[in-house]
Amino acid sequence: DTAVSQTPKYLVTQMGNDKSIKCEQNLGHDTMYWYKQDSKKFLKIMFSYNNKELIINETVPNRFSPKSPDKAHLNLHINSLELGDSAVYFCASRLNRDRVHEQFFGPGTRLTVL
Amino acid sequence: ILNVEQSPQSLHVQEGDSTNFTCSFPSSNFYALHWYRWETAKSPEALFVMTLNGDEKKKGRISATLNTKEGYSYLYIKGSQPEDSATYLCARLFGNEKLTFGTGTRLTIIP
Repeated sequence: DTAVSQTPKYLVTQMGNDKSIKCEQNLGHDTMYWYKQDSKKFLKIMFSYNNKELIINETVPNRFSPKSPDKAHLNLHINSLELGDSAVYFCASRLNRDRVHEQFFGPGTRLTVL
Repeated sequence: ILNVEQSPQSLHVQEGDSTNFTCSFPSSNFYALHWYRWETAKSPEALFVMTLNGDEKKKGRISATLNTKEGYSYLYIKGSQPEDSATYLCARLFGNEKLTFGTGTRLTIIP
């Protein structure tokens, strides 16, 4: 059973389109995250939700909107896609906000904007 | 600026040799340091979470130490094997919420 899953794995789309990436975790974790891996392979946090509540919102364009319908899901919706949005997006989850717990990562979604 | 830095950026090691690399981070308001192993085309997997100054953790041939006062952690691999080839990421937990990752050390084991 996949612990943290993301769909789709690959997403190719035109500039200006709106798209969503879905993330689900079956670990019973309370906190979920979205990371962007930039062109230099650097992982940068975008958002974090704890029990459906937004707790981290980094300096991300407001074209990006996370949605957490329940604590097992954290979806990422992107409006008006731009070329610079092309990247690999990783979802992750953690048991709770206790500092000793590691994060579990999904397989990533490679987004290509043409 | 909350920088986490790793060195070296890349490393080639002969199979059977031991190696180590460094993670440096701001030492103020320390919460935790994470180490992750990231194989190509896969997702990062946690190796260690370290919270206390002087912590030493071990998993098989891989171990890590932590110095929170001076702001560094070392990862050691003993008797490198081809399956150890991966990028090793460290990340510092800020404010108990935000993990800030270093750029990683890409390790290649030469058979």
